[in-house]
Amino acid sequence: DAGVTQSPTHLIKTRGQQVTLRCSPKSGHDTVSWYQQALGQGPQFIFQYYEEEERQRGNFPDRFSGHQYPNYSSELNVNALLLGDSALYLCASSPWDSDYYGYTFGSGTRLTVV
Amino acid sequence: QKEVEQNSGPLSVPEGAIASLNCTYSDRVSQSFFWYRQYSGKSPELIMSIYSNGDKEDGRFTAQLNKASQYVSLLIRDSQPSDSATYLCAVLLSNDYKLSFGAGTTVTVRA
Repeated sequence: DAGVTQSPTHLIKTRGQQVTLRCSPKSGHDTVSWYQQALGQGPQFIFQYYEEEERQRGNFPDRFSGHQYPNYSSELNVNALLLGDSALYLCASSPWDSDYYGYTFGSGTRLTVV
Repeated sequence: QKEVEQNSGPLSVPEGAIASLNCTYSDRVSQSFFWYRQYSGKSPELIMSIYSNGDKEDGRFTAQLNKASQYVSLLIRDSQPSDSATYLCAVLLSNDYKLSFGAGTTVTVRA
């Protein structure tokens, strides 16, 4: 049973560019959340997708956008990259009753903006 | 006030000792609490979940929850060098869909 898969694992981009990160949730999970984790900090919530809609959004600018497909996979898009966007981007999936099962994380995408 | 706060650490313990990690949360009505372990350069891994007041044990790990004090803790008994990692406290706040994380406590187990 595949867990949460993310691609790519590492990415180097230049300031001002755009990037797309991809996530396939764990089998049986229908909800995908994206987090940004800077070095030495806890994961910060970007947004959550459920039934192909953005259900909740954290305190991130609208340069950060996303999408969920009918097969529950998801993308995170970041436009006009800033140096401060350099971080580990984590995708987490959960079933509808995540109150009890928590989130399962993918291995993450390490984004470096130069 | 932050939604989830953890003792900042780092915490250094000798092999075989008990490591004690603390977490407080702001939402009195929160119902679900989780501890994740994150090795350096890796993603978080769920190690414990707790929903009711009291203790929950799983192997060498014990989670403790006190909703009246809005406090959740994690004890690691017989600490091993392989327990050296950052431990993240996460809370599912009431009327919220997202899992909120603390900043993490880094634990180093000295051989």
